[in-house]
Amino acid sequence: DQQVKQNSPSLSVQEGRISILNCDYTNSMFDYFLWYKKYPAEGPTFLISISSIKDKNEDGRFTVFLNKSAKHLSLHIVPSQPGDSAVYFCAASHRSQGNLIFGKGTKLSVKP
Amino acid sequence: NAGVTQTPKFQVLKTGQSMTLQCAQDMNHEYMSWYRQDPGMGLRLIHYSVGAGITDQGEVPNGYNVSRSTTEDFPLRLLSAAPSQTSVYFCASSYLGRNQPQHFGDGTRLSIL
Repeated sequence: DQQVKQNSPSLSVQEGRISILNCDYTNSMFDYFLWYKKYPAEGPTFLISISSIKDKNEDGRFTVFLNKSAKHLSLHIVPSQPGDSAVYFCAASHRSQGNLIFGKGTKLSVKP
Repeated sequence: NAGVTQTPKFQVLKTGQSMTLQCAQDMNHEYMSWYRQDPGMGLRLIHYSVGAGITDQGEVPNGYNVSRSTTEDFPLRLLSAAPSQTSVYFCASSYLGRNQPQHFGDGTRLSIL
């Protein structure tokens, strides 16, 4: 049973607009969440994270929002750039074990 | 600064063959891990290690062995390759601690015929 779900396999956005990538989780023990970006033929790279004691974390053009009651988090990219085109993975870990559980990923395409 | 280095980048094996995927990191990270990524799937944890001499199983450990004799190296061994092990394998490392993001290598693409 999938504990971390990214229900949109793909997303297409126009350059300059906002990209919103969504992630849902089922395990209430998860208390730390991360987003990774992956380009073809490369390994994932860490993008941004959020602890469950916060509901928002911002880093430049990237903001992650956490809604604990809904077990939902989202990654906002504003403004979107063609170089943001990649697969984005949501990941979570829980307090009793630090290993990451990944979602299936969402492929973002930013069109010029 | 090389980061996490995986070798080889590509490999084709026949069913039943064995091989070792190499992973080395130069960041003095205590935590190292191996994932596999299959089409339409996220990364699934195979094995991990929190330090030299300490290893443990992840979500999908069957058919794989690991060892951690040094801080830098964390090889993954396929004992008897099966077509179901065709995948892209990623090694990652980080400092210990809950909020330490993992650094990934560029992956090994493995095909089992």
